[in-house]
Amino acid sequence: ETGVTQTPRHLVMGMTNKKSLKCEQHLGHNAMYWYKQSAKKPLELMFVYSLEERVENNSVPSRFSPECPNSSHLFLHLHTLQPEDSALYLCASSQDTGRYSNQPQHFGDGTRLSIL
Amino acid sequence: GQQLNQSPQSMFIQEGEDVSMNCTSSSIFNTWLWYKQDPGEGPVLLIALYKAGELTSNGRLTAQFGITRKDSFLNISASIPSDVGIYFCAGQLAGNQFYFGTGTSLTVIP
Repeated sequence: ETGVTQTPRHLVMGMTNKKSLKCEQHLGHNAMYWYKQSAKKPLELMFVYSLEERVENNSVPSRFSPECPNSSHLFLHLHTLQPEDSALYLCASSQDTGRYSNQPQHFGDGTRLSIL
Repeated sequence: GQQLNQSPQSMFIQEGEDVSMNCTSSSIFNTWLWYKQDPGEGPVLLIALYKAGELTSNGRLTAQFGITRKDSFLNISASIPSDVGIYFCAGQLAGNQFYFGTGTSLTVIP
């Protein structure tokens, strides 16, 4: 689905590196999300931004730092990650009508992150 | 968080066969979504359901919002090789986030 674009598609980094994941949506939505997808586990919601304001953190470790400069762009800044952080990180967007909209989320193709 | 039990975990079927999978929870949901994820790609929305008992089709796919509001079903008729992938359900409690199932992996044997 080209409506939500994530870069890079693959990222290998050491535990002491600093990197950022980028997400851009072209759907005119006003809510954006970061999810973590690990093998054999349900998608885990990490962060929610609605109208550029963070409304959900879900107790994510501080080594993950989100940034939403506008309703079309979302970043996930990574610092001092652990091997267990290796996963597929998915960005999604939706048309938000409230704190938790029931509108479907549209996903990007994800960034496959590997921590050495 | 909420737990959605999705079954079966995996299916191996012959091309042309029909497929049924379901998603259950102990909680009452007000929205159900079904997604498909191909290898190396993100989940793609298939069907959205908003009312108990609702039956919605998308081509060969049909999904239903269970009457109890604690479950949902997805059927694929006359499967073809491109139906291969992982199918996820997602349910939403009123005023809360979406919760996702662990997925059903579908393999279609030509």
